[in-house]
Amino acid sequence: SQQGEEDPQALSIQEGENATMNCSYKTSINNLQWYRQNSGRGLVHLILIRSNEREKHSGRLRVTLDTSKKSSSLLITASRAADTASYFCATDAGAAGNKLTFGGGTRVLVKP
Amino acid sequence: KAGVTQTPRYLIKTRGQQVTLSCSPISGHRSVSWYQQTPGQGLQFLFEYFSETQRNKGNFPGRFSGRQFSNSRSEMNVSTLELGDSALYLCASSLVGQGRGNTIYFGEGSWLTVV
Repeated sequence: SQQGEEDPQALSIQEGENATMNCSYKTSINNLQWYRQNSGRGLVHLILIRSNEREKHSGRLRVTLDTSKKSSSLLITASRAADTASYFCATDAGAAGNKLTFGGGTRVLVKP
Repeated sequence: KAGVTQTPRYLIKTRGQQVTLSCSPISGHRSVSWYQQTPGQGLQFLFEYFSETQRNKGNFPGRFSGRQFSNSRSEMNVSTLELGDSALYLCASSLVGQGRGNTIYFGEGSWLTVV
């Protein structure tokens, strides 16, 4: 079973626009990570945000975390055609070890 | 620095056969975990190994097994293959075995088709 949901399931935007996707989860977490997956490929790590952090930036990416609402958002600014991919959030909550629980993903299409 | 390497990238097997997938983690990483990705179930955790010991296990039948070697390389095995085992199998590695602030890196995956 999956930890939570991602919203929207699919997103279509024009190049240059911003893309925002949200992730909700069900249990308390240690960290939340965002990944990108191009069709048929592996997962590329984007950002890790710890449970005691509220916002992180990496290049054109901005991630927020609201532990009171058990939700996170990923913002991609000034999107490019190369940003076309599926984006997943993943949480880990265990006392030890690495066990990620993934959301269902958001498919983003950036039209040139 | 090489990333997580998985072999083979693609394979086709027949129902009832068994398959072994291999994963070489990033150099220095001691935690290796495996995930199954299917269109219906999404990404699901299979198991995690750290220092040759299985630390965590997901909700998969006993036909799915794994192991880790002293050099941190890992293999997973699926016996008595079923059509529903067709999936992308992803291996991931991380530097340490604890969850806090621990970036987890994934390989390109092994595409398994069961016919």
